[in-house]
Amino acid sequence: TQLLEQSPQFLSIQEGENLTVYCNSSSVFSSLQWYRQEPGEGPVLLVTVVTGGEVKKLKRLTFQFGDARKDSSLHITAAQPGDTGLYLCADHSGTYKYIFGTGTRLKVLA
Amino acid sequence: NAGVTQTPKFQVLKTGQSMTLQCAQDMNHNSMYWYRQDPGMGLRLIYYSASEGTTDKGEVPNGYNVSRLNKREFSLRLESAAPSQTSVYFCASVSGRARNEQFFGPGTRLTVL
Repeated sequence: TQLLEQSPQFLSIQEGENLTVYCNSSSVFSSLQWYRQEPGEGPVLLVTVVTGGEVKKLKRLTFQFGDARKDSSLHITAAQPGDTGLYLCADHSGTYKYIFGTGTRLKVLA
Repeated sequence: NAGVTQTPKFQVLKTGQSMTLQCAQDMNHNSMYWYRQDPGMGLRLIYYSASEGTTDKGEVPNGYNVSRLNKREFSLRLESAAPSQTSVYFCASVSGRARNEQFFGPGTRLTVL
């Protein structure tokens, strides 16, 4: 059974700081997704990456997929309070199943 | 366009009681999912329905049943609730397009006493 581990588990930073969170898989990703979940709501897709070594940018968020497709990182530049939430990585195996990581809970203080 | 809706938003049950969580989507998606979210454990798949008329077990199906009533609706039933089923339950549907994006409902927070 594939396991997705995310680190750190919790992160509290000041507004304007940079941060990186990580997602590591026990096996090769088929299709890696990153979601953000705000308190009291369901997760919302941020990005999907498929190709090893791929880098995608979404405003202040930079997503990197490892060459071996077993790890990924999410870097946030100049964090803002609106970035607060739970960041989840997920693997879509190409069938109908999705496997989610344990999540990184980020709090950005004003 | 409401997306994915779930009812109820909150529920408190006593051990042994039954209830049905309702989910509906108005995006004409084929696939629908039920997850539970517990602290430190991410989202775990309970059941999914690849298309109308089909359902399959996920990672943690014990104690639950599902019904894909039609293309829009996918319900989750707890026949005899247990304290271990205290959790936040999310329904999701999938667009089926290139991103395979899952659209989630707002969740149902269930407490079993």
